[in-house]
Amino acid sequence: QKEVEQDPGPLSVPEGAIVSLNCTYSNSAFQYFMWYRQYSRKGPELLMYTYSSGNKEDGRFTAQVDKSSKYISLFIRDSQPSDSATYLCAMSVTANDYKLSFGAGTTVTVRA
Amino acid sequence: DTAVSQTPKYLVTQMGNDKSIKCEQNLGHDTMYWYKQDSKKFLKIMFSYNNKELIINETVPNRFSPKSPDKAHLNLHINSLELGDSAVYFCASSQSGGRTYEQYFGPGTRLTVT
Repeated sequence: QKEVEQDPGPLSVPEGAIVSLNCTYSNSAFQYFMWYRQYSRKGPELLMYTYSSGNKEDGRFTAQVDKSSKYISLFIRDSQPSDSATYLCAMSVTANDYKLSFGAGTTVTVRA
Repeated sequence: DTAVSQTPKYLVTQMGNDKSIKCEQNLGHDTMYWYKQDSKKFLKIMFSYNNKELIINETVPNRFSPKSPDKAHLNLHINSLELGDSAVYFCASSQSGGRTYEQYFGPGTRLTVT
């Protein structure tokens, strides 16, 4: 069993829809939860991070962490074709962990 | 200004050859990484250097040898290339001291071994 599980999709939604992405994990010591976005033929870039449990909002993006269920989510509201990318979740125990545990990534296509 | 740059972007070579990939970051970070991303997009860490010291050395064939001449540069040399080495290799950097989760990735080097 992988430490971080993420459904690779692909996920295809119409423009304006809400995109819901999620990851589950097995290591209860994880405290930092990140979402990276990777456009085609580019390197990943950090989209959002959350410390411990709770919600974090940044514009159209909302990250949620439920540590009791070992489950994290990323929601994209009013999705745009420019949101088409692969979204990778990543986790670490501390803010000083050099090694992040990545999910497999979910490929999202937003259709115009 | 490119924060993390890699050369070359594309590399096509034959089995058995030796090749190198170079990486440079201008973010002033003290930690650099090499990742391998396979065709299924799974990102796997290979090596990491902090202040030129090797701190992560995952289970990677010893045909792969990283080298960090200074904090801003990290190179990857691969000997005796095999078909299974075909992948995209990403260099990344971060700053230690509480923000290592914020990693900045280069554009990747797409390696094809024929």
